[in-house]
Amino acid sequence: DAKTTQPNSMESNEEEPVHLPCNHSTISGTDYIHWYRQLPSQGPEYVIHGLTSNVNNRMASLAIAEDRKSSTLILHRATLRDAAVYYCILRKYETSGSRLTFGEGTQLTVNP
Amino acid sequence: NAGVTQTPKFRILKIGQSMTLQCTQDMNHNYMYWYRQDPGMGLKLIYYSVGAGITDKGEVPNGYNVSRSTTEDFPLRLELAAPSQTSVYFCASDWEGVSYNEQFFGPGTRLTVL
Repeated sequence: DAKTTQPNSMESNEEEPVHLPCNHSTISGTDYIHWYRQLPSQGPEYVIHGLTSNVNNRMASLAIAEDRKSSTLILHRATLRDAAVYYCILRKYETSGSRLTFGEGTQLTVNP
Repeated sequence: NAGVTQTPKFRILKIGQSMTLQCTQDMNHNYMYWYRQDPGMGLKLIYYSVGAGITDKGEVPNGYNVSRSTTEDFPLRLELAAPSQTSVYFCASDWEGVSYNEQFFGPGTRLTVL
């Protein structure tokens, strides 16, 4: 499976935008890029995913490089509640049986 | 919808004891998963199921057993608990295990083996 590389930790200030990078230089053409986050003492929760085009939803935006070897999760205005571990995951395209493989993620700290 | 629910929330076991971690989902998902998460690490897949009566091993299956008799329930059994099984266990589900679908996770069971 293709691997992802994320910084171990990042810090931001409340109400400022946050850009969380992810490198996936060995991504294959059919891998989806998924982002999950895990708040303290909770299970992971889905944030966003994309294949080639940039994506927006109510939680975040996902910017995907043209060569797909990197992506950036954008939180437009960080809140204290966004402090979490963020996982960038490549999910291989399958019509069924596609698994999630978690790395260690990026610990985001949000300062008030 | 309650989503994915897990019981118990916490448990302390002695070495050699057995227990079953319960997982239920009410979203009619056919795929269900068990993960474990050690401190400071990402989640590792223990077992998964693609439907009632069908289960398969994940990355770290040793020391665990699963069964899937209904669509809703996917219990994880620990036989002869060992300190290495001290971890947080998460159950998850999704529809068809399709790459463009999201996976839903339960709140976790924190297990300590002493």
